[in-house]
Amino acid sequence: QQQVKQSPQSLIVQKGGISIINCAYENTAFDYFPWYQQFPGKGPALLIAIRPDVSEKKEGRFTISFNKSAKQFSLHIMDSQPGDSATYFCAARANTGNQFYFGTGTSLTVIP
Amino acid sequence: GAVVSQHPSWVICKSGTSVKIECRSLDFQATTMFWYRQFPKQSLMLMATSNEGSKATYEQGVEKDKFLINHASLTLSTLTVTSAHPEDSSFYICSASVNSGNTIYFGEGSWLTVV
Repeated sequence: QQQVKQSPQSLIVQKGGISIINCAYENTAFDYFPWYQQFPGKGPALLIAIRPDVSEKKEGRFTISFNKSAKQFSLHIMDSQPGDSATYFCAARANTGNQFYFGTGTSLTVIP
Repeated sequence: GAVVSQHPSWVICKSGTSVKIECRSLDFQATTMFWYRQFPKQSLMLMATSNEGSKATYEQGVEKDKFLINHASLTLSTLTVTSAHPEDSSFYICSASVNSGNTIYFGEGSWLTVV
């Protein structure tokens, strides 16, 4: 059973546009929601993370929007650049342990 | 962010042999490390959770006798693929938990090709 559902599976965005990736979860014990960026042949790198006590977190061009009541969170990449082309994974961690649950990933392609 | 180093980055081994992959936390102590397997264009599949000084916890369907995990110190965990076969060829990634699980940082991954 997929604990964290991620969409879309792939996304193509024009340079300068906004990339939006969505994730949803059911487990109300989740209390930490990171996003990871992975380039081909490399390990995932932590991009940005949020806790459920805030509705939005922004770091540079990357913003997480969090809707606790809907149990949804999304990553917005403003002014998308070709260098942002990568696979993005959302994740969630329960407050009852160390295990992280990952979404299925979104392959983002930013075309010049 | 914290640095997690994996070695080797890629390895080719003959079918039937064993290969060891190391995962080190370079600038922090990791009481918990995780091992994942990733197939091309797919998500991360958690194989096992490795706790320093105790036995690893394996996910359902992962053969503990085939994928031996040792977490002997707070900075090193190893994954040994025993009697490797071509179907074990994959990208193996480790991650380490900082500050009792606030977040996790990933290694660069290790490509294993079994011929």
